[in-house]
Amino acid sequence: QVQLVQSGAEVKKPGASVKVSCKASGYTFTGQFMHWVRQAPGQGLEWVGWINPNSGHTNYAQRFQGRVTMSRDTSISTAYMELTNLRPDDTALYYCARGVGATGGNLDFWGQGTLVTVSS
Amino acid sequence: DIQMTQSPSSLSASVGDRVTITCRTSQSITIYLNWYQQKPGKAPKLLIYAASSLQSGVPSRFSGSGSGTDFTLTISSLQPEDFATYYCQQSYSTPQTFGQGTKVEIK
Repeated sequence: QVQLVQSGAEVKKPGASVKVSCKASGYTFTGQFMHWVRQAPGQGLEWVGWINPNSGHTNYAQRFQGRVTMSRDTSISTAYMELTNLRPDDTALYYCARGVGATGGNLDFWGQGTLVTVSS
Repeated sequence: DIQMTQSPSSLSASVGDRVTITCRTSQSITIYLNWYQQKPGKAPKLLIYAASSLQSGVPSRFSGSGSGTDFTLTISSLQPEDFATYYCQQSYSTPQTFGQGTKVEIK
């Protein structure tokens, strides 16, 4: 069965960086996009970007350009999202989600989420 | 960016009620509209993709309709386990965008 297992919670100071991992199993990792979506406490869902694990090509939301880097290690079926220059308003639950369908944007399986807390 | 307007932001309903949630987009997205359900402390769950296709394992009381800029999620007979927050999402173009959510509460 498809599973996405994310790394554990992180507490960071403003200006620091965080790297979250997402290990996939139960399907061909290089066959589907991997998206990252975040959710601030009590708020809605915000799309961060996606990576094509096969090619390594990425697409980021404009507001994160320059601060986010998505990467993957196909040998261990793991995707990563690194966010730099963290601010308190980056405090959120970060999800990875598999993207399928015609545009690769139907998010059919999600990780359990990784809470990133940014506080001085 | 494509703007998503979801309504209502919240609603109160009783078990057995028919519930309708709407999502309007700022430009045509043909049928590239998905619906998700999220319960507290859990990741979102895909319910409907491509506007009207039921995701595997999702009960048939959930249905979706629409195309272009106007879409609807309908729950034909609300069940206790359906009390949750629902989000629409467009996958037509990047950045993919979500509606602000509709919280369905018990009346």
